[in-house]
Formats: sequence, C-alpha cells, structure tokens
Amino acid sequence: NAGVTQTPKFQVLKTGQSMTLQCAQDMNHEYMSWYRQDPGMGLRLIHYSVGAGITDQGEVPNGYNVSRSTTEDFPLRLLSAAPSQTSVYFCASSYGQKLFFGSGTQLSVL
Amino acid sequence: AQRVTQPEKLLSVFKGAPVELKCNYSYSGSPELFWYVQYSRQRLQLLLRHISRESIKGFTADLNKGETSFHLKKPFAQEEDSAMYYCALKSGSARQLTFGSGTQLTVLP
Repeated sequence: NAGVTQTPKFQVLKTGQSMTLQCAQDMNHEYMSWYRQDPGMGLRLIHYSVGAGITDQGEVPNGYNVSRSTTEDFPLRLLSAAPSQTSVYFCASSYGQKLFFGSGTQLSVL
Repeated sequence: AQRVTQPEKLLSVFKGAPVELKCNYSYSGSPELFWYVQYSRQRLQLLLRHISRESIKGFTADLNKGETSFHLKKPFAQEEDSAMYYCALKSGSARQLTFGSGTQLTVLP
C-alpha cells in the first residue's frame, strides 16, 4: 500500500499560470479532501469528495476546482494562479474517523 | 460555525518536564476531537482521538465539555516529541475536520 500519493512535491508558478496537483490513494477510501497549510492558520479545507462523482466546497474553495471521476484520484486544479495561493497543499483520504495524509506539495506563485 | 483555537504557536520545554498543549473549541453540538502530529519531514498523522480514551506515546487528552477544551498532556516530555501538533474537530455527521492553527513543540535536551 502506497497510501496517499501527491505529486509534485514542489512547484513554482508565475501569476496567471494554471496547473493541477495530483492526488491518488490505493486504500479504496470513499472520502478525499484537499487542505492548504499556511503559517499561523493551520490547515484549511479547500474541497472534499464523499465518493466518485461527488464533490463539495470547503472553507476556502475560491480559485480551485476539483473533480472525482474515480475512487482513487482527486486532482486539484488552479485555473489562474495568484500569489495568495502560495502554500503547502495536503491531500487526505479517510476511513472512518481517521484521515490519512499525503506528503504535501509546496507551491510558490510568483 | 465551529472553531478550534490553539493559543500557543510555539512551546518549549526541557526533556523530562511535563507538557500541555492547549486546545479549545466552539461547537454547539456533540463534538469529536482529535490530535494530529507532524514530525519533521514526515506526514501529518493521527495521534489520538477522544472517543478512544487512549494513551499514545505517553500522550493523553481529555475532553472537557464544560470548558470546551481538549488539552494534550504528557507527564515527561522526550526530545522525539518535538513536532507540530494540530487539534481538530469533527462536527456532527460531516467527515471533514476543522483544524486549529497548530503548536510547534520543541523539547530541549
């Protein structure tokens, strides 16, 4: 079991560029989510999904899109990157009450 | 709306000293509380949850509904306890967690 796999680990973007952060899990978890981690603000929920074909917004969804075409994958898309999106992004999947986290993607938007 | 407050951004203690990481929450219903930990260069992982009433790596946390607190305690801190600790709240039937801002614990030799 690889658990939750995130790619890339690091990324630098210019303002206005688009990109997709990948997240995959091999534990057959129905629930997946994306968080961003900022100093002094903890982890904030961006989007989540309770199963294939179902997504919903979290606390800070603006500027991000998600889709869930399969149980395994939950990509996060930045359509037009802004410096305010500079952060560390974590994907997580859940079984019961326990969240399993990926190793994170450190994103810088210049 | 629910909220989780961790008042200390940084906490330093000496090895062998007791440590308490504070967590307060606001939620009108019946909460489920968790502590997650992130060691250096490792993933965020679950440390313990209040419904299990367990002790993990010597840490315990008791849910105090009167004070709306879920403080994490360890009687004798070890250097390997140095990490970032997050308190988290699960509200109702929703699966998503609300996290506090985290406390960076440093245990000094």
